[in-house]
Amino acid sequence: EDKVVQSPLSLVVHEGDTVTLNCSYEVTNFRSLLWYKQEKKAPTFLFMLTSSGIEKKSGRLSSILDKKELFSILNITATQTGDSAVYLCAVERDMRFGAGTRLTVKP
Amino acid sequence: SAVISQKPSRDICQRGTSLTIQCQVDSQVTMMFWYRQQPGQSLTLIATANQGSEATYESGFVIDKFPISRPNLTFSTLTVSNMSPEDSSIYLCSAMKGARGEKLFFGSGTQLSVL
Repeated sequence: EDKVVQSPLSLVVHEGDTVTLNCSYEVTNFRSLLWYKQEKKAPTFLFMLTSSGIEKKSGRLSSILDKKELFSILNITATQTGDSAVYLCAVERDMRFGAGTRLTVKP
Repeated sequence: SAVISQKPSRDICQRGTSLTIQCQVDSQVTMMFWYRQQPGQSLTLIATANQGSEATYESGFVIDKFPISRPNLTFSTLTVSNMSPEDSSIYLCSAMKGARGEKLFFGSGTQLSVL
């Protein structure tokens, strides 16, 4: 059965810290890996990764995919309290989500 | 992008009743999915809503409990039938505009509480 595993499950840091979130997967017919941020109910899209080794970047957030080792990382630099959320990764073809990483950024 | 209107945003229901959740997309989409998110947990895929045919359900979810309709390329409903307190959860619909490999857009979610 397809699996998407995220780690750590929760993380508490202070403002200004850099964090790395992990997502590993075992799926058949991989097409893409997606990262989402969930603060309330609806997740908001962050990145979609399809090719190995190509970093996607948006402000303080960046992500990269390793299709050989079957994982992706999401980096957040200079964290702010507004980054506190659950970060989810999903793998397509069936859009299965990992358990999420709950990030808490303290002032 | 696509904007998905989901309603109701929340409801409190009595045990044994049914609730239908609606999702309307502002443009035609190829794929629509329904997820459940129980308190403190991640998103669990319930089913893929197929336009013009029966939905494809994931293991552990059945049509009698979660009937789904998708009459066209912009609209879908999920019914939670014969509810019990264990059905208390957030239900999310989502859509994909193009073929597989595109990002998923989400509705605003329905917070369901069953007494």
